[in-house]
Amino acid sequence: DVKVTQSSRYLVKRTGEKVFLECVQDMDHENMFWYRQDPGLGLRLIYFSYDVKMKEKGDIPEGYSVSREKKERFSLILESASTNQTSMYLCASSFRRGAGARDTQYFGPGTRLTVL
Amino acid sequence: GQQVMQIPQYQHVQEGEDFTTYCNSSTTLSNIQWYKQRPGGHPVFLIQLVKSGEVKKQKRLTFQFGEAKKNSSLHITATQTTDVGTYFCAGPGNAGNMLTFGGGTRLMVKP
Repeated sequence: DVKVTQSSRYLVKRTGEKVFLECVQDMDHENMFWYRQDPGLGLRLIYFSYDVKMKEKGDIPEGYSVSREKKERFSLILESASTNQTSMYLCASSFRRGAGARDTQYFGPGTRLTVL
Repeated sequence: GQQVMQIPQYQHVQEGEDFTTYCNSSTTLSNIQWYKQRPGGHPVFLIQLVKSGEVKKQKRLTFQFGEAKKNSSLHITATQTTDVGTYFCAGPGNAGNMLTFGGGTRLMVKP
């Protein structure tokens, strides 16, 4: 069974704080993704990575950065959290490099972040 | 850029009624995937369609890919309370390695 874990289910932070969201997958997947989910907007891709130290911007990268130092771990960083970043954050992984759009994505349980 | 539109946004049905959600793209899709997210859960892959006009079935769920590969549908026959959740379609994004998700259809089933 593929397992994707995220460091926290719920997180409350203050405006201006630096926030780290961690994601780990245990199936040696090449691709990892960070989405945010907001009602009526579906899942929007923030960043993805197809290899260690490689990253690509998704549809809404502004205000976020990512880090992939090890294959199994993909971190999302909010340098200075703002209230409009209150959302559900979902991490996902998929197996084959270069086949991201045809590969099944496996999602973590999500982190509900509230920025006050 | 690539957009995947999904309708309706919400649907209430009586248990036993049928349900359909539709997915439309502004451009031709090489493939389309469907995911289900239960309340409080995370999206789980259901199926992928690749061929023009393809129809696939999973028990009471029927998935269809349009002839022009610009639209897709998911039809549930005789809904049950276990079908409750949000159904998402997803197609290739502007960059080939990523998926663009539709806004989802939230299905609520009254017992």
